[in-house]
Amino acid sequence: DTGVSQNPRHKITKRGQNVTFRCDPISEHNRLYWYRQTLGQGPEFLTYFQNEAQLEKSRLLSDRFSAERPKGSFSTLEIQRTEQGDSAMYLCASSLGQGVDTGELFFGEGSRLTVL
Amino acid sequence: DAKTTQPTSMDCAEGRAANLPCNHSTISGNEYVYWYRQIHSQGPQYIIHGLKNNETNEMASLIITEDRKSSTLILPHATLRDTAVYYCIAPVLNDYKLSFGAGTTVTVRA
Repeated sequence: DTGVSQNPRHKITKRGQNVTFRCDPISEHNRLYWYRQTLGQGPEFLTYFQNEAQLEKSRLLSDRFSAERPKGSFSTLEIQRTEQGDSAMYLCASSLGQGVDTGELFFGEGSRLTVL
Repeated sequence: DAKTTQPTSMDCAEGRAANLPCNHSTISGNEYVYWYRQIHSQGPQYIIHGLKNNETNEMASLIITEDRKSSTLILPHATLRDTAVYYCIAPVLNDYKLSFGAGTTVTVRA
């Protein structure tokens, strides 16, 4: 059981730079989620994929953020022109969606972004 | 998601049962109640979920009141490793995301 894998685990960048995070979900999982978590807060939903289709995006996902899931496998989250307010933990989760129930989400360890 | 209300924090003695309450008075009849926890510097971890009946697994028990307006997560024998933030979530049916609130910070003390 390899679980949900996220890379890199830590990223320090300067304001204005672009960063990309990768998430490898559990292999048979068709649903993939991205969340953002800042210190002292619960995770905030960013976006959700069913296979390769991006079905929902939060208003938190500004036009500087883009997420993809080509071929319904791994996913990438790119942040362009980073700002200090983007500093957070970015969490990926996947689930084996089989019905109307949300199901059990399996989370990765997260990618921590620090924008200087 | 149905709005859930949890205490901000609670302490528990090691080896004792920890009872974590959650109010979800606006939950609809077919919406599940989920519990997750997040240990410091880790991603959230699924604990248990239920609809109407009480549920038990190797981690915890979930007691849901008959009117479904509240539930209690029970950690039967709390250990220091159970120190974490515990989230109670009631997602809307057919809405496949989970919306996390602030949760309850549980500190297990020796």
